[in-house]
Amino acid sequence: EIVLTQSPGTLSLSPGQRVTLSCRASQTVSSRYLAWYQQKPGQTPRLLIYGASSRATGIPDRFSGSGSGTDFTLTISRLEPEDFAVYYCQQYGSSSITFGPLSFGQGTRLEMK
Amino acid sequence: VQLVESGGGWVQPGRSLRLSCAASGFTLDDYTLHWVRQAPGKGLEWVAGISYNSGNIGYADSVKGRFTISRDNVKNSLYLQMNGLRAEDTALYYCVKDRAMITATYFESWGQGTLVTVSS
Repeated sequence: EIVLTQSPGTLSLSPGQRVTLSCRASQTVSSRYLAWYQQKPGQTPRLLIYGASSRATGIPDRFSGSGSGTDFTLTISRLEPEDFAVYYCQQYGSSSITFGPLSFGQGTRLEMK
Repeated sequence: VQLVESGGGWVQPGRSLRLSCAASGFTLDDYTLHWVRQAPGKGLEWVAGISYNSGNIGYADSVKGRFTISRDNVKNSLYLQMNGLRAEDTALYYCVKDRAMITATYFESWGQGTLVTVSS
């Protein structure tokens, strides 16, 4: 199973700032099969990025993803008040041959300073 | 797309529970479906997935041998039979739609979840 480690655990930032979240995999994630989700308190997760860098439908272009191999990042170019939430990465590269297992990182919490 | 889970509740350790998910707004048999859970105050954990025709099925190691995922495309429903429940299975269980049909990839749409509490 591929283990994903996100860092940092928590970030305290202000609106307008730029932020980069990290997701590191224990082994290579094939074909950049990595996704990012946003979850606000009391809400279900929302897909932001798939294929490491493709934005999901309706996601603002201030969100961008990059990376390959074992190192991936999610960047928010200019934080809006509604962006303060928990962010999860998820890999699906291990499913290219077998059906799962899929795995998530432990999450990074963005807090408003 | 609408996914509505049901069947959660309080159950004693060792007992069983069956979750259901009613899907609407899309053609169910075009997509892989999953159960993903979230323990209170914790992160997300993939539990199980099933391809469009039930030909491919996968489980997390933490539930393998205890949980069974199934689907009924005629009834537009997804199920999770949970046996031998443990305290660590306590979580909000989400029904989730994949973007793929045959493989397991990423999660496009989520239900609101049904809460399972395992306690004596």
